[in-house]
Amino acid sequence: EIVMTQSPATLSVSPGERATLSCRASQSVSSNLAWYQQKPDQAPRLLIYGASTRATGIPARFSGSGSGTEFTLTISSLQSEDFALYYCQQYNNWPFFGPGTKVDIK
Amino acid sequence: EVQLVESGGGLVQPGRSLRLSCAASGFTFDDYAMHWVRQAPGKGLEWVSGINWNSGRMGYADSVKGRFTISRDNAKNSLYLQMNSLRAEDTALYYCAKDIGSLATNYFDYWGQGTLVTVSS
Repeated sequence: EIVMTQSPATLSVSPGERATLSCRASQSVSSNLAWYQQKPDQAPRLLIYGASTRATGIPARFSGSGSGTEFTLTISSLQSEDFALYYCQQYNNWPFFGPGTKVDIK
Repeated sequence: EVQLVESGGGLVQPGRSLRLSCAASGFTFDDYAMHWVRQAPGKGLEWVSGINWNSGRMGYADSVKGRFTISRDNAKNSLYLQMNSLRAEDTALYYCAKDIGSLATNYFDYWGQGTLVTVSS
């Protein structure tokens, strides 16, 4: 089983600032990595797949990078609606999620 | 419009069984793999099980292997999760999620709103 880790657990950021979230896989998953956003009492929403491709309707301020075992989600200028939980998920074989990073208001 | 509607959750005693259902609409159901993902109260997402388009390949998280069985009925556009020998740690909101492909080794582009399972005496 591929184990996913995310850091930090909580990221405190001011609106308009940049946020950088990290995700690491215990072994290479190539570019088979997705990112999701989850707000309270809502289902997760797909943001990024293939490590760097934005899903339909996702604003350009969201970007993903990385391959192999190290991945990054960057939100270039945080908007109020971006304060949420973010999960990475590998899909190199059966899918597994990371534990999540909470982005909250500084 | 893609819709996934879960049902079948509720309060159940430890050791008992429950069957979850997911009714799908708005897409060609038998073209896609489907999954169950759960979220315990205040916790993160945990993939539970997945099934490919024709039920030829199924996978389970170690935490549910041997107790849960995933199935689908393409004629009814429905996904199921039979949960046996339930434990307190199975308490969670169970989401049905659509795979972007047919093989069940991908990511999820649509999610239902979830059905809550509470295991308690």
